[in-house]
Amino acid sequence: NAGVMQNPRHLVRRRGQEARLRCSPMKGHSHVYWYRQLPEEGLKFMVYLQKENIIDESGMPKERFSAEFPKEGPSILRIQQVVRGDSAAYFCASSPPNVETYEQYFGPGTRLTVT
Amino acid sequence: RKEVEQDPGPFNVPEGATVAFNCTYSNSASQSFFWYRQDCRKEPKLLMSVYSSGNEDGRFTAQLNRASQYISLLIRDSKLSDSATYLCVVKTSYDKVIFGPGTSLSVIP
Repeated sequence: NAGVMQNPRHLVRRRGQEARLRCSPMKGHSHVYWYRQLPEEGLKFMVYLQKENIIDESGMPKERFSAEFPKEGPSILRIQQVVRGDSAAYFCASSPPNVETYEQYFGPGTRLTVT
Repeated sequence: RKEVEQDPGPFNVPEGATVAFNCTYSNSASQSFFWYRQDCRKEPKLLMSVYSSGNEDGRFTAQLNRASQYISLLIRDSKLSDSATYLCVVKTSYDKVIFGPGTSLSVIP
């Protein structure tokens, strides 16, 4: 059973470009979470999705950031018009549809560098 | 007050020492609790869930005190490989998962 997969692992973008980060959850998992970790800082929750639904996006910046988890295919975190402050590690986690446990399993992350 | 707070650290301990990490949470209706570890520049990995009765996994023991809204992690006989950042994680009653800021541990030979 493959773990959570994220790609690309490293992404370099110039200011003003768009960044697309992909996350494929573990098999059987229907909940996806995105987190951002700035250098030397802790994990910050961004968004929680289930298939075709955004459940909680309270951690998402209001502008330039969007996320989706379509019926087919990976979850996508999209950052438009990137700025230097967007440089960070973006982790995706998934969990099974078991409301009792909510254990999350993380992917290896995408390290975004904005030049 | 932050929703999840942890010892600021860092903790520097010799091999073989026992070390304890503390975590407090503000939402009394929180339902599930976990400890994760994160190695430098890697993804967080689930270490153990924390149950009301307390639970042990080898050298690791987790305790939960709902009345005090407090969670602890005890590591006995520390190994060099235990060096990492330990993250306290709380799931609230409204299905939100919150990570604490983490406590850094360095085990020294």
